[in-house]
Amino acid sequence: KAGVTQTPRYLIKTRGQQVTLSCSPISGHRSVSWYQQTPGQGLQFLFEYFSETQRNKGNFPGRFSGRQFSNSRSEMNVSTLELGDSALYLCASSPTLLAGSYEQYFGPGTRLTVT
Amino acid sequence: KQEVTQIPAALSVPEGENLVLNCSFTDSAIYNLQWFRQDPGKGLTSLLLIQSSQREQTSGRLNASLDKSSGRSTLYIAASQPGDSATYLCAVLTQGGSEKLVFGKGTKLTVNP
Repeated sequence: KAGVTQTPRYLIKTRGQQVTLSCSPISGHRSVSWYQQTPGQGLQFLFEYFSETQRNKGNFPGRFSGRQFSNSRSEMNVSTLELGDSALYLCASSPTLLAGSYEQYFGPGTRLTVT
Repeated sequence: KQEVTQIPAALSVPEGENLVLNCSFTDSAIYNLQWFRQDPGKGLTSLLLIQSSQREQTSGRLNASLDKSSGRSTLYIAASQPGDSATYLCAVLTQGGSEKLVFGKGTKLTVNP
């Protein structure tokens, strides 16, 4: 069974631009969560999507948004990029809602650099 | 607010040594605790998942314990190898209507040949 895939793997953007990252979960998994990893803050939860609905949201500004499609693939969008948005963005999938307490499987991440 | 702490932040050991990594959390309202491994610049690899009702889980040379009442977990690595060198992260899945994984900052392990 293929693992979680994320595209693109690397991205360089300029301040003020917007970016869209994509995540394809493991086949059959319906929950996708997104995380931001920076050296200073570590790994922080952005949001969870299940059945095309945002279920939970972390403490990030509204510039960070996402969506999920009927095939469970998810996209994350960051608008008006700031230097501080430079990070490794990871997505994780699980068979059902986070509250189902299943193991989380992570993708390889997208490294975003904002200049 | 759930906070997860991992001690030590870094650890260097000779090959073959047994070692223990520590994780503590402030709120016992969790669904589970998961240990991950992260190699430089890479994603996370799940090592062990302990449900809140369980006390420990084992996989090969790894053994993880959970004491939910005291807010502590340990990851025991037996007979360490250079290939075990990585950053080890623990994360708790919070309860209470706003489920999310809350991570510690990790322990960077170096196993010297």
